[in-house]
Amino acid sequence: RKEVEQDPGPFNVPEGATVAFNCTYSNSASQSFFWYRQDCRKEPKLLMSVYSSGNEDGRFTAQLNRASQYISLLIRDSKLSDSATYLCVVNMGGNTPLVFGKGTRLSVIA
Amino acid sequence: GAVVSQHPSRVICKSGTSVKIECRSLDFQATTMFWYRQFPKKSLMLMATSNEGSKATYEQGVEKDKFLINHASLTLSTLTVTSAHPEDSSFYICSARDPSGAPWGQFFGPGTRLTVL
Repeated sequence: RKEVEQDPGPFNVPEGATVAFNCTYSNSASQSFFWYRQDCRKEPKLLMSVYSSGNEDGRFTAQLNRASQYISLLIRDSKLSDSATYLCVVNMGGNTPLVFGKGTRLSVIA
Repeated sequence: GAVVSQHPSRVICKSGTSVKIECRSLDFQATTMFWYRQFPKKSLMLMATSNEGSKATYEQGVEKDKFLINHASLTLSTLTVTSAHPEDSSFYICSARDPSGAPWGQFFGPGTRLTVL
């Protein structure tokens, strides 16, 4: 079983749509959770951290369910510029490396 | 936010040559840096963890004699691909963790695209 699993997509949605990505992780001792965004041929960039209480940043809402080991990302009112690969990322804390899911590709279409 | 730089951004070399990639944390000290590799349309794969002043820790399947890592200072780690071959062509990305930063994530360099002819 992979440590972090995501639906690879692609998700093709029209502008203005709401889209949700899901992710599960296998290690219950994981401490930190993130969503990164990666554009084609670019490095990943931190989109937002994910907390059990849920957190929102503009059109983006992230949720963490530790009991289910499940992470989600909701994007409202999709823009063309949201087209990218969204990476679910988990960390064990300290100086341990990030563990990446394979990413979910999103294409927002005009 | 924290900035991590990489140099060079792109390199094309002949088979059999060695290529050195530098990763620098520009405004923080990183005792630990990480090296990843990403093949086209594939996910990022961790190659090794680079620790300042000590030997790097390599992931299973990554040859330490082929991918030499040196982390001689708190702001610089280097990855040398020795005797590069076409199958080593990939996107190499480093990251560093800012221990004083929040959220407790890592910052990535812009990557180095290596093409071995």
